[in-house]
Amino acid sequence: DTEVTQTPKHLVMGMTNKKSLKCEQHMGHRAMYWYKQKAKKPPELMFVYSYEKLSINESVPSRFSPECPNSSLLNLHLHALQPEDSALYLCASSQGNGELFFGEGSRLTVL
Amino acid sequence: GIQVEQSPPDLILQEGANSTLRCNFSDSVNNLQWFHQNPWGQLINLFYIPSGTKQNGRLSATTVATERYSLLYISSSQTTDSGVYFCAGAYYGNNRLAFGKGNQVVVIP
Repeated sequence: DTEVTQTPKHLVMGMTNKKSLKCEQHMGHRAMYWYKQKAKKPPELMFVYSYEKLSINESVPSRFSPECPNSSLLNLHLHALQPEDSALYLCASSQGNGELFFGEGSRLTVL
Repeated sequence: GIQVEQSPPDLILQEGANSTLRCNFSDSVNNLQWFHQNPWGQLINLFYIPSGTKQNGRLSATTVATERYSLLYISSSQTTDSGVYFCAGAYYGNNRLAFGKGNQVVVIP
């Protein structure tokens, strides 16, 4: 079982909706990540939080808004998404050596 | 940034066969991982292996850091080994892990 938990597993939303993806880890890791993965492609980095501060934003459109309420939680707020934003969204956390541990992912469909 | 090349891109195996997947890096890395993505999308951490050799059951991995490549061995393959295998690497302290395009493995009974 993964120690990084993501909810919901599946999400369908319209282009005018506001929704959030949630991620939780209890491994004491101080870095947390959001990745986006399209079919038959490798994961693409979106955001990195280190010690609860945003350290990397890979020029992600503002319709994606990350939030790190504490060292165990990471959210991704979604608003006014486009159909091309449909993808698998993966959360990950890492320890000091950078070893990544991924959650099971949230599969998003934008209608 | 670091470029990661994986080979072969696609592999079809008869159940019980052995195989080797390869990952080449354009530059030195000291964080190197192998992942298996199952058909449901979950990325499972197989090995953290910046150098040396590790084994876990039927899987083993070897990284030759000085030559910037890593190998993943699958022995006595099973249908549950099907999926996509990704390798990824980064410099120590760099949170931008560079992923290869993956090896699509299909094990047929």
